[in-house]
Amino acid sequence: AQSVAQPEDQVNVAEGNPLTVKCTYSVSGNPYLFWYVQYPNRGLQFLLKYITGDNLVKGSYGFEAEFNKSQTSFHLKKPSALVSDSALYFCAVRDQAGTALIFGKGTTLSVSS
Amino acid sequence: GAVVSQHPSWVICKSGTSVKIECRSLDFQATTMFWYRQFPKQSLMLMATSNEGSKATYEQGVEKDKFLINHASLTLSTLTVTSAHPEDSSFYICSALDSLKGNTEAFFGQGTRLTVV
Repeated sequence: AQSVAQPEDQVNVAEGNPLTVKCTYSVSGNPYLFWYVQYPNRGLQFLLKYITGDNLVKGSYGFEAEFNKSQTSFHLKKPSALVSDSALYFCAVRDQAGTALIFGKGTTLSVSS
Repeated sequence: GAVVSQHPSWVICKSGTSVKIECRSLDFQATTMFWYRQFPKQSLMLMATSNEGSKATYEQGVEKDKFLINHASLTLSTLTVTSAHPEDSSFYICSALDSLKGNTEAFFGQGTRLTVV
């Protein structure tokens, strides 16, 4: 069965500092990995995905993530955090096209000015 | 980019009534759509997979007679919460796969906040 772990309920960083939101996954085959962001009472906004190719994936709003197969991780990163990045972040995985995404529990990112 | 429109954005209903939520893919065909439920500050829990022209596949623990799903066309899936109770209050989100892009990309609606009073 597929699963996603986001070990941190909350991440706090100061504006301008780098941020990392952690994600590890478990799938039976090759993973399709995604990051989404959610603002209060809103749907999900797509940030980036890894399906194949370069392990470093660049996405929206300056975010990037690195696929690490040996550590089964897909951590989300940004070199310089903004206060407006404060939101709930979800990592998600599927093991093949056409199936539903399985989400992690989410990590609340709080960026202070 | 592909757009998924979910309607209504929020709804308040009385206990015992039924509520229908629509999920439309506006500029692509979606043979497969998914319905999720999200409790406050929690993750999205998959409720069911909706396939155009066939019965939905429900996840374990989800009452299919309570959460009726219909996917009658390639651009529309509906979720009807029947005989709603306060415990059904939640945020419901749909997702659609773009059939012409190999079903690799999932697009999400903006969600529906259901409050049952």
